[in-house]
Amino acid sequence: AQKITQTQPGMFVQEKEAVTLDCTYDTSDPSYGLFWYKQPSSGEMIFLIYQGSYDQQNATEGRYSLNFQKARKSANLVISASQLGDSAMYFCAMREPSRGGSYIPTFGRGTSLIVHP
Amino acid sequence: NAGVTQTPKFQVLKTGQSMTLQCAQDMNHEYMSWYRQDPGMGLRLIHYSVGAGITDQGEVPNGYNVSRSTTEDFPLRLLSAAPSQTSVYFCATGTTTEAFFGQGTRLTVV
Repeated sequence: AQKITQTQPGMFVQEKEAVTLDCTYDTSDPSYGLFWYKQPSSGEMIFLIYQGSYDQQNATEGRYSLNFQKARKSANLVISASQLGDSAMYFCAMREPSRGGSYIPTFGRGTSLIVHP
Repeated sequence: NAGVTQTPKFQVLKTGQSMTLQCAQDMNHEYMSWYRQDPGMGLRLIHYSVGAGITDQGEVPNGYNVSRSTTEDFPLRLLSAAPSQTSVYFCATGTTTEAFFGQGTRLTVV
């Protein structure tokens, strides 16, 4: 079974509008962390935001916020005021300590976001 | 401060050849890992290490070998390249709250 599920292979949004990218996860560990990464066409992996399972508030970083719903095991990324440069692949990832005490992220399959002018 | 350095950036191999992808980090992190990225599959974990002398298998370890003799270096060896190993390879290091990636190695096996 997949640990991280991103159900939207592709998303389109108009410039300056907000967009939500979905991510659900599966873990039985009480201590875990959730990440979002951006991969533009140039190929590099860019860290966007992190949410720990014990964090009381949703994480925010500039125009990025993580809508963390623990009971639903959901960690959606919200991008406000989309820009053309936001067009990229977006990956949700989770780290959990079950791998021999390690904290190595497991990734979803990604969502391709295209921002229209 | 280079962060995570991967070499080479591009490589073409013939089936059956062996090679080593290099990964070096100057961030003094304990955790290092190798992923491969294929279209529609996201990043899949090949091998990882939680410190010098300690390695373990990820989701797709077959055909790959690793060792970790120092904190800084975590090379990935392809023992006998196969066309199925054509992919983009990423090395990463990090903490519990952030993973830092190298620029990737695009490998083609013909």
